[in-house]
Amino acid sequence: GAVVSQHPSRVICKSGTSVKIECRSLDFQATTMFWYRQFPKQSLMLMATSNEGSKATYEQGVEKDKFLINHASLTLSTLTVTSAHPEDSSFYICSARKDSRVPYEQYFGPGTRLTVT
Amino acid sequence: EDQVTQSPEALRLQEGESSSLNCSYTVSGLRGLFWYRQDPGKGPEFLFTLYSAGEEKEKERLKATLTKKESFLHITAPKPEDSATYLCAVRYGGATNKLIFGTGTLLAVQP
Repeated sequence: GAVVSQHPSRVICKSGTSVKIECRSLDFQATTMFWYRQFPKQSLMLMATSNEGSKATYEQGVEKDKFLINHASLTLSTLTVTSAHPEDSSFYICSARKDSRVPYEQYFGPGTRLTVT
Repeated sequence: EDQVTQSPEALRLQEGESSSLNCSYTVSGLRGLFWYRQDPGKGPEFLFTLYSAGEEKEKERLKATLTKKESFLHITAPKPEDSATYLCAVRYGGATNKLIFGTGTLLAVQP
């Protein structure tokens, strides 16, 4: 199998606070993890790519100081939304890629619904 | 500009009414086209990967095909449980470690 979990599944926070979302690969080691956000009725937009032990690569237009990514181990990556504002409310989804020696596939987590009030 | 376009945006079928979803792409050096299913409030579920023109893959009522410009997801005799958003994504030469997603097709199958 290739199971990816996310925690929490839902979070509501007040404007100005920070929120941390965890992404874990449960039954495989992930050489690379990806973070996406998805607005209602829109597709997934890649925010950043992270490799274990190195700095994340952010997509154009994504503020690295606002969306902090830490890929601490081969099974865990975290996304911290700092000083969240209502416009950060969205569905955040992570995915993980298995060992680069096997055919390319990304496995997605169930997503985290962030609401900033 | 590298793009992935899906059509139609939404499709409503009667149970048993077969149809096809389209994913067209304009990228250089395709290195894989991926189909995912996404249920509301959930993350995408992997369905297929296609690598070269002429390739086909099947899973239950779904069959994915690939040409040099587009991919089709054929749904044969769909059931209500096939209702979901179907996403396609491409991996290509200029961005080998990431996927670019289309906007998806929302499929509703009525009993």
